[in-house]
Amino acid sequence: EPEVTQTPSHQVTQMGQEVILRCVPISNHLYFYWYRQILGQKVEFLVSFYNNEISEKSEIFDDQFSVERPDGSNFTLKIRSTKLEDSAMYFCASSERWETQYFGPGTRLLVL
Amino acid sequence: GENVEQHPSTLSVQEGDSAVIKCTYSDSASNYFPWYKQELGKRPQLIIDIRSNVGEKKDQRIAVTLNKTAKHFSLHITETQPEDSAVYFCAASRGSSGDKLTFGTGTRLAVRP
Repeated sequence: EPEVTQTPSHQVTQMGQEVILRCVPISNHLYFYWYRQILGQKVEFLVSFYNNEISEKSEIFDDQFSVERPDGSNFTLKIRSTKLEDSAMYFCASSERWETQYFGPGTRLLVL
Repeated sequence: GENVEQHPSTLSVQEGDSAVIKCTYSDSASNYFPWYKQELGKRPQLIIDIRSNVGEKKDQRIAVTLNKTAKHFSLHITETQPEDSAVYFCAASRGSSGDKLTFGTGTRLAVRP
């Protein structure tokens, strides 16, 4: 069964550094999402992406965040200047159209 | 925007007993309600979902009920097993293409052998 994949699984960075989190959605899916989960808390929506454009973004998704689909398979989340509070698990998800979203295994980001 | 409340935050049951987790939502336009199971350090896995034109859905030991008038939906797990131990999240969405999921705060279920 196809799955969403994410790299790296873990990322440690210094405050102020840029990080890029990578995702490969399921191949026939058209809608892509990023969510984050701070340790012990609920999953929070960051951004959705369709047809090479952001569909919706949350208040969390400020100017420090950007998303891109650089080629036909990858979907990336960039954080330009990381802050301590960006430490979280970041999940990519994809869906074929509406409804069922399939989540990747996540990237655990630690900002020191 | 949508707000999803989930109760209880923790639930401990004896193996073989039933477990019930309840969620309420605020946006009357929401019409898609999935439940995800998340084991420690793993991705959220969809276990069952329900749409607003259906009041109940069952899949083996798992069932979900929806009361759209009251804006609440529940997950029922019967004959619980130790492998059911995990964190369960409810979520709500307007169900249109690309719509975000708004998650509840999670329920940590422990099934005692």
